[in-house]
Amino acid sequence: SQQGEEDPQALSIQEGENATMNCSYKTSINNLQWYRQNSGRGLVHLILIRSNEREKHSGRLRVTLDTSKKSSSLLITASRAADTASYFCATDPTWTQGGSEKLVFGKGTKLTVNP
Amino acid sequence: DTEVTQTPKHLVMGMTNKKSLKCEQHMGHRAMYWYKQKAKKPPELMFVYSYEKLSINESVPSRFSPECPNSSLLNLHLHALQPEDSALYLCASSQGLARSSYNEQFFGPGTRLTVL
Repeated sequence: SQQGEEDPQALSIQEGENATMNCSYKTSINNLQWYRQNSGRGLVHLILIRSNEREKHSGRLRVTLDTSKKSSSLLITASRAADTASYFCATDPTWTQGGSEKLVFGKGTKLTVNP
Repeated sequence: DTEVTQTPKHLVMGMTNKKSLKCEQHMGHRAMYWYKQKAKKPPELMFVYSYEKLSINESVPSRFSPECPNSSLLNLHLHALQPEDSALYLCASSQGLARSSYNEQFFGPGTRLTVL
């Protein structure tokens, strides 16, 4: 079963606006990662946040992690049409065998940025 | 070289065919993965190889047979597939370090498989 649940499932915004996606998970984790997938392509790693971190930035990306609420958010600022893609959170549950080897992906948020 | 390559990009096969998917990385990663992804769904883990040994098999049917000939190569042998096996098959790799390290995964572009 999936560990992560993203919301919203779909998000449509105008270029220049900010996009916020949320992810909730169920069990303890080592880390939480965000990936982007353009239609029909492979996934691209965006950012990893460890369980002892609360916030992380990378360029126009800002990720927060609240382990007490078992939730994370991904903020993309000043969005561009090229940001149109599906975004997945993935957790590395501490309960899995060899935990760092197994990622469990959420259902994803489909982001559309209109020019 | 920070790329994971997959061949072929597209594959159409009949239910009686035998075919193979190939994945290659030259980043020195010691963990390699096969995922299956249906349309509008997240990737689902199939197999994990760690240091060339199969470490995780997510109860995948035996018509899918993985092989890791060396640390850079990962194959997925396909035989007697069903139409419902049509999907995007993604390969990934990661450093595969000890559990105390945190490993991001690098994905290939995938093989789009259609089973007729």
